Amino acid sequence: RKEVEQDPGPFNVPEGATVAFNCTYSNSASQSFFWYRQDCRKEPKLLMSVYSSGNEDGRFTAQLNRASQYISLLIRDSKLSDSATYLCVVAMNSGYSTLTFGKGTMLLVSP
Amino acid sequence: DGGITQSPKYLFRKEGQNVTLSCEQNLNHDAMYWYRQDPGQGLRLIYYSQIVNDFQKGDIAEGYSVSREKKESFPLTVTSAQKNPTAFYLCASSSGGRAYNQPQHFGDGTRLSIL
Repeated sequence: RKEVEQDPGPFNVPEGATVAFNCTYSNSASQSFFWYRQDCRKEPKLLMSVYSSGNEDGRFTAQLNRASQYISLLIRDSKLSDSATYLCVVAMNSGYSTLTFGKGTMLLVSP
Repeated sequence: DGGITQSPKYLFRKEGQNVTLSCEQNLNHDAMYWYRQDPGQGLRLIYYSQIVNDFQKGDIAEGYSVSREKKESFPLTVTSAQKNPTAFYLCASSSGGRAYNQPQHFGDGTRLSIL
């Protein structure tokens, strides 16, 4: 089983739609979770950290379900500029160890 | 502006040649990382460094080498032993402390191709 799994998509949605991505992780010792956004041929950029209680940043809401080992990202009122690949990222509680990146979910928002 | 600078943006390697990718940060971050990204793939860790003069192998270190002589700098050398070097190389950094809960910030990458 892959450590971090995401549906590669693409998710094609019209402007204004609400879209949700899920990501599952295999290691129950995982402690920290992030969503990154990566535009085509660009570097990943941090979108938001994911907290146990869930968190919201404008149109973006992230949720964590430790029992089922998945995290989600909800985007409301999609904009054309939201078109990108969204990377799910997981870190274990092992000091300076490393982040594990999912392969990403591609979102295409159309007019 | 604070950030991470990678150079060059594009690099071509000849057969049997070693090439070095530069990564400099002025964020005062202790930890630095090198990743490789292939088309349609996730990021894979090559090397990371927690502190000056110390570094650790990641998942795919073979054919690569690094140094960390200064806090700000973490250059990556792609040696001739790396037979499939064509990829997008990303450098990242994060602040100290318990780094597992610190997000990483990325440079804008170097695209390496074989001539």
